[in-house]
Amino acid sequence: EVQLVQSGGGLVQPGGSLKLSCVASGFTFSDFAMHWVRQASGKGLEWVGRIGKKTENYATPYAASVKGRFTISRDDLRNTAYLQMSSLKTDDTAVYYCTRDREVVGIDYWGQGTLVTVSS
Amino acid sequence: QSVLTQPPSASGTPGQRVTISCSGSRSNIGSYTVNWYQQLPGTAPKFLMYGNNQRPSGVPDRFSGSKSGTSASLAISGLQSEDEADYYCAAWDDSLNAVVFGGGTKLTVL
Repeated sequence: EVQLVQSGGGLVQPGGSLKLSCVASGFTFSDFAMHWVRQASGKGLEWVGRIGKKTENYATPYAASVKGRFTISRDDLRNTAYLQMSSLKTDDTAVYYCTRDREVVGIDYWGQGTLVTVSS
Repeated sequence: QSVLTQPPSASGTPGQRVTISCSGSRSNIGSYTVNWYQQLPGTAPKFLMYGNNQRPSGVPDRFSGSKSGTSASLAISGLQSEDEADYYCAAWDDSLNAVVFGGGTKLTVL
């Protein structure tokens, strides 16, 4: 069974940093690209960014709204994807989802989501 | 404002057929396949449709998808109360080098 278990959310002050983790199981993690998607309360889904697999040179495209502030990384030995967020703004307050990308198909599995609140 | 345009709401009575539209442009829907996701209240989105009209294992055949040019649609036939949820379309956009989502459609079963 494919599982994506997220951790690391919480309350952070504007300008602060936070790192989210996503531990994968039930599939060969290194064979899949991973995305992060966020959702502000009562709003729609917003793509944050993606990290490719080794054969894609771990390419990391980002949404314009987070480029230069957020960094996606992965550790294939630990089956874990990360989202490092810095220079956080109140507009970054959202539930963040870790998702799996199946080649040709796109985003299929979603983590349970973790709430990040940016507030003073 | 979302890159893909969906109606904010849709509704139907049990047993009816409803359709949700998703409009984009040449750089996204016009060039790539469309996925659909269902989000029940308080839960993570669920994979509902891929490749415009392919259902993942476990998705009832009451759900169907189509695409024409720069627009796509999701149809739900034999509407059930459990279908009440938010529905999102998504596609890759090569101008933005990003996944783009529709703003979501809230489906109400009357």
